[in-house]
Amino acid sequence: GAVVSQHPSRVICKSGTSVKIECRSLDFQATTMFWYRQFPKKSLMLMATSNEGSKATYEQGVEKDKFLINHASLTLSTLTVTSAHPEDSSFYICARVTSYNEQFFGPGTRLTVL
Amino acid sequence: GENVEQHPSTLSVQEGDSAVIKCTYSDSASNYFPWYKQELGKGPQLIIDIRSNVGEKKDQRIAVTLNKTAKHFSLHITETQPEDSAVYFCADSRGGGNKLTFGTGTQLKVEL
Repeated sequence: GAVVSQHPSRVICKSGTSVKIECRSLDFQATTMFWYRQFPKKSLMLMATSNEGSKATYEQGVEKDKFLINHASLTLSTLTVTSAHPEDSSFYICARVTSYNEQFFGPGTRLTVL
Repeated sequence: GENVEQHPSTLSVQEGDSAVIKCTYSDSASNYFPWYKQELGKGPQLIIDIRSNVGEKKDQRIAVTLNKTAKHFSLHITETQPEDSAVYFCADSRGGGNKLTFGTGTQLKVEL
């Protein structure tokens, strides 16, 4: 069964609004989770590493004030896309990493900004 | 990892035939090499992985080989079935919870 869930699976919002995406580790505590972004027919692009109890680590070129990450518990990490614009429309996927370095991905969230 | 090249970008095979997808990595410190299958509209699913202390690993119809000297690793799917149709991604990592670097993906189509 699924070890990582995401909510919502699909969201449509107006330009300028903020959207929060939740990522839950269902079977194990996760001190580290990853957030990815994927454009149609493209590979996965790592956005940031979410660390429980501390600040997220962002990849080069990713605006930390635009993509707010909160990892307040060992089972929940959230990604908030602030003041969303059409160019933020994408497929956002989180992943939990195990002590063996395996990454298990959530089902993804399709964001469409009108 | 630093960079991972993946070939081919698309692959069509007849049902029952074998499919091979190849990846090349550049980071000599990489020691973990997973393969993911992604169906349309879904998150990637880990299907098999290999670590640098092993040259080959097999799980039913799926096998992965690793050549550390040449920095190559490959996914082999035998007796392909229509449900194997998906996008497959290779990746590498230095391990220890480090981030994955993904290949560009291969669209596999298994035709009846």
